[in-house]
Amino acid sequence: QQPVQSPQAVILREGEDAVINCSSSKALYSVHWYRQKHGEAPVFLMILLKGGEQKGHEKISASFNEKKQQSSLYLTASQLSYSGTYFCASVIQGAQKLVFGQGTRLTINP
Amino acid sequence: GAVVSQHPSWVICKSGTSVKIECRSLDFQATTMFWYRQFPKQSLMLMATSNEGSKATYEQGVEKDKFLINHASLTLSTLTVTSAHPEDSSFYICSGLTGARNYGYTFGSGTRLTVV
Repeated sequence: QQPVQSPQAVILREGEDAVINCSSSKALYSVHWYRQKHGEAPVFLMILLKGGEQKGHEKISASFNEKKQQSSLYLTASQLSYSGTYFCASVIQGAQKLVFGQGTRLTINP
Repeated sequence: GAVVSQHPSWVICKSGTSVKIECRSLDFQATTMFWYRQFPKQSLMLMATSNEGSKATYEQGVEKDKFLINHASLTLSTLTVTSAHPEDSSFYICSGLTGARNYGYTFGSGTRLTVV
């Protein structure tokens, strides 16, 4: 039931773009994206509830393809503060549990 | 917005002792609380789901007699790690289900447990 994320790790230079993908073998009710810094709790980024939905805040956006059971997180013109581990999490249709993907470690270098 | 207060932030205990972690929902009623465990460089793994006034539901492979969950009120859920061993050392995080508010799930700040 755990969503599958790719890639597992990304190293960028400041200002470059990144895409993190998340897919599930189960039907998705919603997709949540979080960022976690070392030693801290995950921080909520955004939630996508409907197929075809796209959301964004500043230079971080995401899309949700319900039919394909996939979601992607887009980070444009990355900043040093974007470093951390990004998790997608899904709520399986018919359940309330939030299940996390294995994470994507993003490193931004100056 | 909805806030979950988790205590303690960190705890060091001796092997064989028990440790209690508390999560309080400060401005909403958390009828459902989720407990996660995270080992270094790994993802958050759901341990159990607790509902106020009823027994917790544990995920496969999680020992319910070792990880005691109590959800006696709408604002307090506790996780007690009994007879802790070094392999129980981990980051424990709770998450309250808020429904439509605050996008549905509000996380506590986490508890770093080290068993020596």
